[in-house]
Amino acid sequence: EVQLVESGGGLVQPGGSLRLSCVASGFTFGSSWMGWVRQAPGKGLEWVANIKGDGSQTTCVDSLMGRFTISRDNAKNSLYLQMNSLRVDDTAVYHCARWGVTAGLDFWGQGTLVTVSS
Amino acid sequence: QSALTQPPSASGSPGQSVAISCTGTSSDVGAYNYVSWYQQHPGKAPKLMIYEVTKRPSGVPDRFSGSKSGNTASLTVSGLQAEDEADYYCSSNAGGHTYVFGTGTKVTVL
Repeated sequence: EVQLVESGGGLVQPGGSLRLSCVASGFTFGSSWMGWVRQAPGKGLEWVANIKGDGSQTTCVDSLMGRFTISRDNAKNSLYLQMNSLRVDDTAVYHCARWGVTAGLDFWGQGTLVTVSS
Repeated sequence: QSALTQPPSASGSPGQSVAISCTGTSSDVGAYNYVSWYQQHPGKAPKLMIYEVTKRPSGVPDRFSGSKSGNTASLTVSGLQAEDEADYYCSSNAGGHTYVFGTGTKVTVL
């Protein structure tokens, strides 16, 4: 059974940093593109970043480039999102998800809530 | 990377059909056959319903179908059932391995 479990969310002040983690199981993690998607309270989905299975290629939404960095550790079956210079409008539930061979996100974690507030 | 445009809401009675549009540009929806649709119930993670414009993952009822014409993709739910009431989001490849989601549509079963 595929499982994706996020952690690392919480309350942080504006300008602060946070590192989200996602532990994967039930599939060959190192062979899969992975991504982060966020959803602000009461709002829609927003794609954040992707990373190739071997970590050699990453992409990020233009508006977050320079502040957010996606990475992975295949030995630990783990995906990460380093978030710096956090702003109030970064408040959201952050989901990690697997890109299937279908170019769709076929498995999602339940998400971890990040709240940016003073 | 502007969000794809979806109608805020759609509705239908049980057994009827509802269609949701997803309008992008020639740089995303119009350029690639990598349009996906996701269903999200309140408090739950999204679920993949359609990928590559028209294909259904295993386990998704054939009441769900997708299509595309030019810069606009569509999701049709036929034979509406109570459990279809949810938010629906489209997504498209936008070049390289970048993606964009739609604004979301709330489907209500009357």
